Amino acid sequence: AQKVTQAQTEISVVEKEDVTLDCVYETRDTTYYLFWYKQPPSGELVFLIRRNSFDEQNEISGRYSWNFQKSTSSFNFTITASQVVDSAVYFCALSGRAGGTSYGKLTFGQGTILTVHP
Amino acid sequence: EAQVTQNPRYLITVTGKKLTVTCSQNMNHEYMSWYRQDPGLGLRQIYYSMNVEVTDKGDVPEGYKVSRKEKRNFPLILESPSPNQTSLYFCASSLSGGQNEKLFFGSGTQLSVL
Repeated sequence: AQKVTQAQTEISVVEKEDVTLDCVYETRDTTYYLFWYKQPPSGELVFLIRRNSFDEQNEISGRYSWNFQKSTSSFNFTITASQVVDSAVYFCALSGRAGGTSYGKLTFGQGTILTVHP
Repeated sequence: EAQVTQNPRYLITVTGKKLTVTCSQNMNHEYMSWYRQDPGLGLRQIYYSMNVEVTDKGDVPEGYKVSRKEKRNFPLILESPSPNQTSLYFCASSLSGGQNEKLFFGSGTQLSVL
């Protein structure tokens, strides 16, 4: 079985603060994929990043950065200099074989509600 | 415009009355899947399909059926809905489930079962 845990249910920050959203996963697969998705108040789900288990390089995209550490089974997401528009629910997700023959099974974390105050 | 289209957007029904939520994508994607979103539980996968006529269970398949007769369509069927299936449902697709490409999501269907 595979599992994703986002320990922070809600985070509240003031604009321009940096904020890190934690994601810890469990899987027995050696090959797997990790994702982050954003769900703004409008409700749609937006892809942010995809990372495979063999690529531990950290990634930066503008104010967003991701830290993947296989040793601690974590894939944390940091927003630098947060803005009000960053307010959303953020989901971490994992895809592995989960005992099956394909990578079609996708497991999401519970989500972290981020509120950025002006 | 590339998109995943779900219908209806909102649905109120009664216990036991069969319903279908449709999902269609125009991107020629091989992989399609259904999720339900409940407060505190995040998104949970109901079923997925790697390609036409290939479907498999996700984490919460009980009470749901799916079919994939055509590449573009992946309807979700509730044969006998119950109140615990009241939820926000999302359909999603990606180019290839095997390569784990990013998912494109529909706008969601808010279902209430009375």
